[in-house]
Amino acid sequence: ETGVTQTPRHLVMGMTNKKSLKCEQHLGHNAMYWYKQSAKKPLELMFVYNFKEQTENNSVPSRFSPECPNSSHLFLHLHTLQPEDSALYLCASKGGPSMSGELFFGEGSRLTVL
Amino acid sequence: SQKIEQNSEALNIQEGKTATLTCNYTNYSPAYLQWYRQDPGRGPVFLLLIRENEKEKRKERLKVTFDTTLKQSLFHITASQPVDSATYLCALYSGNTPLVFGKGTRLSVIA
Repeated sequence: ETGVTQTPRHLVMGMTNKKSLKCEQHLGHNAMYWYKQSAKKPLELMFVYNFKEQTENNSVPSRFSPECPNSSHLFLHLHTLQPEDSALYLCASKGGPSMSGELFFGEGSRLTVL
Repeated sequence: SQKIEQNSEALNIQEGKTATLTCNYTNYSPAYLQWYRQDPGRGPVFLLLIRENEKEKRKERLKVTFDTTLKQSLFHITASQPVDSATYLCALYSGNTPLVFGKGTRLSVIA
């Protein structure tokens, strides 16, 4: 248990569906991240939020829409996805001026787009 | 271009031996480098951090070295056990960009 909870753990959706991934952290951290992990590829950073403000958007297609209503919650809204968007989506959080700068990851949401 | 490479996609090792994983980078000036462990279907878990001015860090059976001249970090697991089987990711932070990850090395420790 890392203190970062992601739901759902598994999601299957059609290309015309709209769904959302949810992430909640119970660590009092002020930064939250979305990463995409595909087979045989490194973790790809998608979005970063610091104190609820988006500070990084790594050229992510607009069919992915993040939302951070407060420092503890992060959403990834999905619409009109493509099969190549199938991947493990990982949420992570990080404390303030942490000495280690370590990221605390959730267990991920495995997304399959049909 | 900037690259971070973990040379082996997979590594098999006999139980009890020392596993050594490699992480090389080009065109980065990292402030620090981190190593994570990831089990199948799970998120990565932080293991160790080593800063640019540190040569070596240890934690139980784990040891990390950092050579900024060679632009390389080595991750060692001594007396390896089957429970050490997992994918290990290196990640570097250069101060002006978020953490960048390698593809990972899948370690299998054979009993």
